[in-house]
Amino acid sequence: QQPVQSPQAVILREGEDAVINCSSSKALYSVHWYRQKHGEAPVFLMILLKGGEQKGHDKISASFNEKKQQSSLYLTASQLSYSGTYFCGTETSYGKLTFGQGTILTVHP
Amino acid sequence: DVKVTQSSRYLVKRTGEKVFLECVQDMDHENMFWYRQDPGLGLRLIYFSYDVKMKEKGDIPEGYSVSREKKERFSLILESASTNQTSMYLCASSLSRGTRAETQYFGPGTRLLVL
Repeated sequence: QQPVQSPQAVILREGEDAVINCSSSKALYSVHWYRQKHGEAPVFLMILLKGGEQKGHDKISASFNEKKQQSSLYLTASQLSYSGTYFCGTETSYGKLTFGQGTILTVHP
Repeated sequence: DVKVTQSSRYLVKRTGEKVFLECVQDMDHENMFWYRQDPGLGLRLIYFSYDVKMKEKGDIPEGYSVSREKKERFSLILESASTNQTSMYLCASSLSRGTRAETQYFGPGTRLLVL
């Protein structure tokens, strides 16, 4: 079953903050975040591991609540380059990710 | 840098045709994946492979098959294309079997239109 992302879309002005949430009904080992720009391949941003270890991006942060099987991606002081579709991928078995439906983020000048 | 390439960016086929989508990665990754991407549905896993000649079904394998004869190459086959298989197809690879939290690297995608 796919994780559920919210919101489905968000519109920001440069400098504003945003939070994207990802919720799963299954026990998770890790949560992965990717960003996809229009016409391009998804690009890795962040991995959050069970137990709290976090690997990934310098300018974007995230959290992982293991009890609730939820993750949140925090984008602060947004830039135009942040625009794109953000996907969370949840890992419940070795190496296999199940992706959410995506959140479209648009940043205006 | 990891490079994942897909044989075509755009493909137009007729209903009933056999379609081959090819994916090649150049980083000696063990794991390879095929996804389809549709608006509002995100990325859905069709098949994946942990090793040469090994394959496992993903979440939506119906109507598809795969082949992995060499480590670097993973092919998606539509035996008899149908209009509901019109979609964007993305290939990905990751480093090793049996370890968790491996980053997946994606190819640029193939946009398939079945008429």
